[in-house]
Amino acid sequence: SQQGEEDPQALSIQEGENATMNCSYKTSINNLQWYRQNSGRGLVHLILIRSNEREKHSGRLRVTLDTSKKSSSLLITASRAADTASYFCATDADDYKLSFGAGTTVTVRA
Amino acid sequence: GAGVSQSPSNKVTEKGKDVELRCDPISGHTALYWYRQSLGQGLEFLIYFQGNSAPDKSGLPSDRFSAERTGGSVSTLTIQRTQQEDSAVYLCASSSQGIAYEQYFGPGTRLTVT
Repeated sequence: SQQGEEDPQALSIQEGENATMNCSYKTSINNLQWYRQNSGRGLVHLILIRSNEREKHSGRLRVTLDTSKKSSSLLITASRAADTASYFCATDADDYKLSFGAGTTVTVRA
Repeated sequence: GAGVSQSPSNKVTEKGKDVELRCDPISGHTALYWYRQSLGQGLEFLIYFQGNSAPDKSGLPSDRFSAERTGGSVSTLTIQRTQQEDSAVYLCASSSQGIAYEQYFGPGTRLTVT
């Protein structure tokens, strides 16, 4: 079963706008990761946040983690057409398995 | 450097046939994962290899599915007597040490069972 669930399922924004998506999970975690997937093929790792961290930045990406609410958010600032993709959160609730949500599909309109 | 490669990129097979999917992980990565992704869905964990340890096969959906990893490197996922519900993208990933580290994914094999 999927540990993480992303919200919303789909998001359409204008180029230059910010995109925010959320991930909720059910059990305690050690780490939470965000991945991007283009065209339904391989995933690309974006960022990893550990359970003792609350916020992390990487370029135009900002990730927050609230372990008390069992939730994380991914913010993409100043979106570009190339950001059009599906975004997945993944948690490591089990010893070594990553559990992926169903993803948020982001469309950036030119 | 070279990333994770998978072959074939696309496979169309008839129901009841066996298929083999190949994964070449990044050199030196000890952990290797297989996932399955159905259309519009998230990733479903299938199997995990770590070094010389016994693999975790708990995600394999039926005994028609099996996987091997030879020499701690290349892995083959075999599906016997394929069914239409096996149609999906099969993704392989490798990692340098395991779960606490990012996974590097291959481009996947799109399997279509007719």
